[in-house]
Amino acid sequence: SAVISQKPSRDICQRGTSLTIQCQVDSQVTMMFWYRQQPGQSLTLIATANQGSEATYESGFVIDKFPISRPNLTFSTLTVSNMSPEDSSIYLCSVEAVGDDSYEQYFGPGTRLTVT
Amino acid sequence: DAKTTQPNSMESNEEEPVHLPCNHSTISGTDYIHWYRQLPSQGPEYVIHGLTSNVNNRMASLAIAEDRKSSTLILHRATLRDAAVYYCTANTGNQFYFGTGTSLTVIP
Repeated sequence: SAVISQKPSRDICQRGTSLTIQCQVDSQVTMMFWYRQQPGQSLTLIATANQGSEATYESGFVIDKFPISRPNLTFSTLTVSNMSPEDSSIYLCSVEAVGDDSYEQYFGPGTRLTVT
Repeated sequence: DAKTTQPNSMESNEEEPVHLPCNHSTISGTDYIHWYRQLPSQGPEYVIHGLTSNVNNRMASLAIAEDRKSSTLILHRATLRDAAVYYCTANTGNQFYFGTGTSLTVIP
């Protein structure tokens, strides 16, 4: 298993500003993932971040709004740009773990973002 | 990756078994079935996974239908700490797409 931390754990931001969320894992991993969880909803995959290459975004998410960095095998950041109240969500990072026969993911505790 | 369907909510009495169903009728032959749960104010945690055979681990059991179009997560004795949202996914590879999940309430 992997231990994942996220900073900040929560934040309240004004519309129009940007917030960068950090994700740190205690071991080297190839793939990291960013999810959004809107209030009372399930998790939606935003993008997959592979070290050394550009992130791959899911339909409905674009790099200009959610730029991602992946400078090394233990760290990634997600920026929520030009925020609006609709961006109020929990943002979670996860890492891939390759098991004996399939992939698993381990999740961080999440960053609770409120945009006013 | 197959779409999954789960009941929105279920209740169980403490100390009793719980059977959480999941439908994944469009599952492909290479899709693994994973179950995760999300405790309040936490990120999801892995519970169990399987391909064709039933699986047991320290947390739960996974029963997979013979045609693989459905599965059931079994908690043998529900405790208050098992109150969470349980998600099943059916996917090939390392990207997970979560459905709406089942919110489990455990009644003391």
